[in-house]
Amino acid sequence: GAGVSQTPSNKVTEKGKYVELRCDPISGHTALYWYRQSLGQGPEFLIYFQGTGAADDSGLPNDRFFAVRPEGSVSTLKIQRTERGDSAVYLCASSLAVRDTQYFGPGTRLTVL
Amino acid sequence: GNSVTQMEGPVTLSEEAFLTINCTYTATGYPSLFWYVQYPGEGLQLLLKATKADDKGSNKGFEATYRKETTSFHLEKGSVQVSDSAVYFCALTTYGQNFVFGPGTRLSVLP
Repeated sequence: GAGVSQTPSNKVTEKGKYVELRCDPISGHTALYWYRQSLGQGPEFLIYFQGTGAADDSGLPNDRFFAVRPEGSVSTLKIQRTERGDSAVYLCASSLAVRDTQYFGPGTRLTVL
Repeated sequence: GNSVTQMEGPVTLSEEAFLTINCTYTATGYPSLFWYVQYPGEGLQLLLKATKADDKGSNKGFEATYRKETTSFHLEKGSVQVSDSAVYFCALTTYGQNFVFGPGTRLSVLP
């Protein structure tokens, strides 16, 4: 079956702009996670959803970052007033339930110039 | 809070050599433990997992045993291949907590 998909695969933007990153989880997976991975590092947790609600957003670095999952399926990570330090690969993962195996998408590489 | 420590890479081995990548953890509660692998140009994939003490996860010739007494989950393979070259991540989760990943260990296997 289809895996987790993320769009776009690459995004280049200028400092101060707004960006949206999209994640389509595996059908039927109730839990959805966002991570950020910088070069040479492991994935860093940002936020996870159980259904439509954000169950834990403690990893969001500041209030420029926001994520939604309005219908309990597709999720969008939104970054306002982007900064060069936001440049990273943003990973999305989904699982049948919390604590189950997470299946990762290919990521969106964000570059802020 | 929860944390994962992995041996620093890169690790370079010849084909058919024995592999060990060390992973130790700190966790509140009773974690589930995972190894994920990231092949060049690809996304993260689950390699194996263990959910309780003394469980052994295995896949593709790789093994790891959940050792509660030493808080470890070391990854081993008896004979590595060039195709095993990748970055390996140890990770854990506990009930009500999000996943925590280690920094990754890059493995290069030479023919």
